[in-house]
Amino acid sequence: EVQLVESGGGLVQPGGSLRLSCAASGFTFSNYAMSWVRQAPGKGLEWVSTISGSGGSAYYADSVKGRFTISRDNSKNTLYLQMNNLRGEDTAVYNCAKVRWSPWYFDLWGRGTLVTVSS
Amino acid sequence: QTVVTQEPSFSVSPGGTVTLTCGLSSGSVFNSYYPSWYQQTPGQAPRTLIYNTNTRSSGVPDRFSGSILGNKAALTITGAQADDESLFYCVLYMGSGISVFGGGTKLTVL
Repeated sequence: EVQLVESGGGLVQPGGSLRLSCAASGFTFSNYAMSWVRQAPGKGLEWVSTISGSGGSAYYADSVKGRFTISRDNSKNTLYLQMNNLRGEDTAVYNCAKVRWSPWYFDLWGRGTLVTVSS
Repeated sequence: QTVVTQEPSFSVSPGGTVTLTCGLSSGSVFNSYYPSWYQQTPGQAPRTLIYNTNTRSSGVPDRFSGSILGNKAALTITGAQADDESLFYCVLYMGSGISVFGGGTKLTVL
C-alpha cells in the first residue's frame, strides 16, 4: 500500500528539540522529493521544508530556517525533521508529503503528528 | 514576502456551481507557478484535487476543474454536494524548492 506514516510528535518545552519521522511505503522512496507541511491549531497549511530525492538539496521556509533540518535515509525509506530551539508558534500538526517536482505538487500525504510546544 | 490569497469563505447551494480563486498579493498567477489545489476535512490529511493548473488527480471526479481566470488560478466545483463542505487550499510553486500555500477557503454547502 502506498502510504506515509509520521511519528515522533509530542509535548516539548520552549527551546527544546524534537525529531519527527515519516515512514514511506509502496513507492520507490529515493526517486521522489519529500516535504514537511504543518498546520497550527485553527490555522491554514504552511509549507515547512523540502528535500530532494538524493538528499543533496534542501529548502526551508523563512520561519524555520536555521532551526529545523530536513533529512532522509533512503535505505530505510524514512524522512526526518529535526526541530531545534522550538517556539510556541511551532505548535502544529506536521504532515509529510511526497512531491512531484515537474509539474510541482504534493501527490501523497500522511495523516500527521502533533507537536505541542509549551511549558 | 510572497502572499497567496484565497477567499476566506464561500457558500454554495447543493447542486450549484462555485469558483474559488487563488491570487498573488502582487502580480498575476501563471501556469509556471504550477497551481495546485487540495481539499481538507477536519482531522484528515489533505487530499490532492488538481495539479498543474487543470489536471485532476487520480480518482477526483470531473465536477472539480482548475483553470486560470484573469490573473488568478481558479477551482470550479460544478454540482456541489454536501460532502464538498470542507477547506480548500491552493499552492503556488515559487521555484528553488519553495512553495507557498494560500490561507484556505472554507466552503459551506447549504
